[in-house]
Amino acid sequence: ETGVTQTPRHLVMGMTNKKSLKCEQHLGHNAMYWYKQSAKKPLELMFVYSLEERVENNSVPSRFSPECPNSSHLFLHLHTLQPEDSALYLCASSQGTGFYEQYFGPGTRLTVT
Amino acid sequence: GNSVTQMEGPVTLSEEAFLTINCTYTATGYPSLFWYVQYPGEGLQLLLKATKADDKGSNKGFEATYRKETTSFHLEKGSVQVSDSAVYFCALKDSQGAQKLVFGQGTRLTINP
Repeated sequence: ETGVTQTPRHLVMGMTNKKSLKCEQHLGHNAMYWYKQSAKKPLELMFVYSLEERVENNSVPSRFSPECPNSSHLFLHLHTLQPEDSALYLCASSQGTGFYEQYFGPGTRLTVT
Repeated sequence: GNSVTQMEGPVTLSEEAFLTINCTYTATGYPSLFWYVQYPGEGLQLLLKATKADDKGSNKGFEATYRKETTSFHLEKGSVQVSDSAVYFCALKDSQGAQKLVFGQGTRLTINP
C-alpha cells in the first residue's frame, strides 16, 4: 500500500450504531487530519493530530471521537450520529502541521439512516 | 477570519476549450495559495501552489498566479481534456497563527469530447 488509505470506502449506519473509520498513511508523516466534505459546502477541518497529540478540534460534536494510536494510524469513532452527519470523510497527512502539502486519502462515504 | 471564494459550478466545456476557474481570498498576513483537484472516487491531490505575491504555480498544463492586489488566484488551462474532469478546490494557508488549510467550496468541471 502506498500513500494514504481509508477503510471502509462506504458505510451505512443507523443513528444508534457505533462504528469506526480507519486511516493509515505510508508516507512517514507525523501529522494527520480528519476533514468532512458535505455537498455544496467547503471542506471542513475536524481534527488535527501532530506527533500523536491532538492539536486542533474545530468544535466538532462529541459524537465524533478521534484516536491516533501512532503516527501512521488515525481513527474516527462514531456513535449516535444524525442524518446531517452523512458526508464524505477525508483523512490527510503531512510532514508537520507547518508544512502545507497535505496528502489525502480517497475518503469514506458515510450515510446515516 | 480567512476565507476562500470560488466561482460557482458546475462548469461544462468542450475538449480543447480554454478554462478559467476564479478564486478570491480574504486573509491576514501573507498566505500561501493552492489548487487541489479531486478526481471521481479519489481524495484531493495538490495540483499547484504559490507562496508569495506574483508567484506562478503550474502543473499538468494548469497555471495560477498569486495576485495580491486583487486577492485572487485564478486557475487557467489553455486546452482542456476529458481527463481534466474533476472537482477543483482553491485553498489558502495563513502565514501566521493556526497552520491549517482553508478551502473554497469546490468547482465541478466536466469536459465533453
